[in-house]
Amino acid sequence: DAGVIQSPRHEVTEMGQEVTLRCKPISGHDYLFWYRQTMMRGLELLIYFNNNVPIDDSGMPEDRFSAKMPNASFSTLKIQPSEPRDSAVYFCASSPASGVGKLFFGSGTQLSVL
Amino acid sequence: RKEVEQDPGPFNVPEGATVAFNCTYSNSASQSFFWYRQDCRKEPKLLMSVYSSGNEDGRFTAQLNRASQYISLLIRDSKLSDSATYLCVVNPGAAGNKLTFGGGTRVLVKP
Repeated sequence: DAGVIQSPRHEVTEMGQEVTLRCKPISGHDYLFWYRQTMMRGLELLIYFNNNVPIDDSGMPEDRFSAKMPNASFSTLKIQPSEPRDSAVYFCASSPASGVGKLFFGSGTQLSVL
Repeated sequence: RKEVEQDPGPFNVPEGATVAFNCTYSNSASQSFFWYRQDCRKEPKLLMSVYSSGNEDGRFTAQLNRASQYISLLIRDSKLSDSATYLCVVNPGAAGNKLTFGGGTRVLVKP
């Protein structure tokens, strides 16, 4: 299995621009998670899906952030408009229904908003 | 108070030595616990689950103390390759598969 695949690996953009991060979970996994990691705040859960349905988006910072999962093999996290404080590493992770707590992470997207 | 707290370290460990560190959690109803490992500039990876009775996986031993609300990780015979940040993870259990990560404890094993 190729694991969780995220793109792009690095994204540099200017404040105010729209940013779209992409994720392909491991086939057969029922859960998909979006996390953000910074030095100051560590790993924060933004949103997670179960069978393509958003279950908890309480970690989404504000309306500028949105996430979708149109099918079992694809999810996006969009930031519009982006701000410098959004600079972070964004991780996507997936897990099977039988593996509560056992997440498989992608390699992450390093986002820099100038 | 943070939901999951860890000593950020770093813990400087001579190769071959034993190192142990704890993680405290605030939600007494938390149901499952895990240790993840994160190498520099890499993604977190599951190291081991933590069971109520304690469990071992090779040189790694995890313990859970529900009364005092902490979990621990002990690494025996440290290897240079054990250098990493160790993340404590708690699942409150009441909200599906929502995990809370601690800030991590950095371990540096030196020759």
